[in-house]
Amino acid sequence: QSALTQPASVSGSPGQSITISCTGTSSDVGGYNYVSWYQQHPGKAPKLMIYDVSNRPSGVSNRFSGSKSGNTASLTISGLQAEDEADYYCSSYTSSSFVVFGGGTKLTVL
Amino acid sequence: EVQLVESGGGLVQPGGSLRLSCAASGFTFSSYWMSWVRQAPGKGLEWVANIKQDGSEKYYVDSVKGRFTISRDNAKNSLYLQMNSLRAEDTAVYYCARDLIIFGVVPRSFDYWGQGTLVTVSS
Repeated sequence: QSALTQPASVSGSPGQSITISCTGTSSDVGGYNYVSWYQQHPGKAPKLMIYDVSNRPSGVSNRFSGSKSGNTASLTISGLQAEDEADYYCSSYTSSSFVVFGGGTKLTVL
Repeated sequence: EVQLVESGGGLVQPGGSLRLSCAASGFTFSSYWMSWVRQAPGKGLEWVANIKQDGSEKYYVDSVKGRFTISRDNAKNSLYLQMNSLRAEDTAVYYCARDLIIFGVVPRSFDYWGQGTLVTVSS
């Protein structure tokens, strides 16, 4: 039950694009197309942004996109906006019916 | 409107017990996997436990196995987490979360979250 690996922080200027990586193993990220991404603002509950690797729930901006290659999933945010500044977490279903999260990435919009 | 409302958090001494509750409304509770996810102060999210729609399957993170028990009452649209032998490292905000997929075979994404309830384990 090891956590997925994410960079601690990323930053970008308004209008730019950034990508956050999420690395796991063949027992989680690499083995299933059940990777999700969550956005969390301070003091708030997490919000689902991407599910099943690349699907956006209704209401989520199309500036958010997800992908996966092997054991690494990625979240890309294009056209960065000030309100995108938040913590981002990936998660994956695992071979034991667990869900495992990444350590989280703090996004700073410069 | 989907709502998840947690309750039962508070201050407890090491070795003590607490029972968290999550009242669900606005959806067919019995059709979804449900989970507890926690977040220690200033730390990341950690999945704690989940339970299948009919309660027939339950899974736990290793650190709480044998100490925590997840359960549900579909007639009352409620999810529970019985926490025994609490430790300082269990201090966290505990969130109740609904799985994305109705009648899902496996749990995989959380589309609705409660506001969280704070559990503090300290003497």
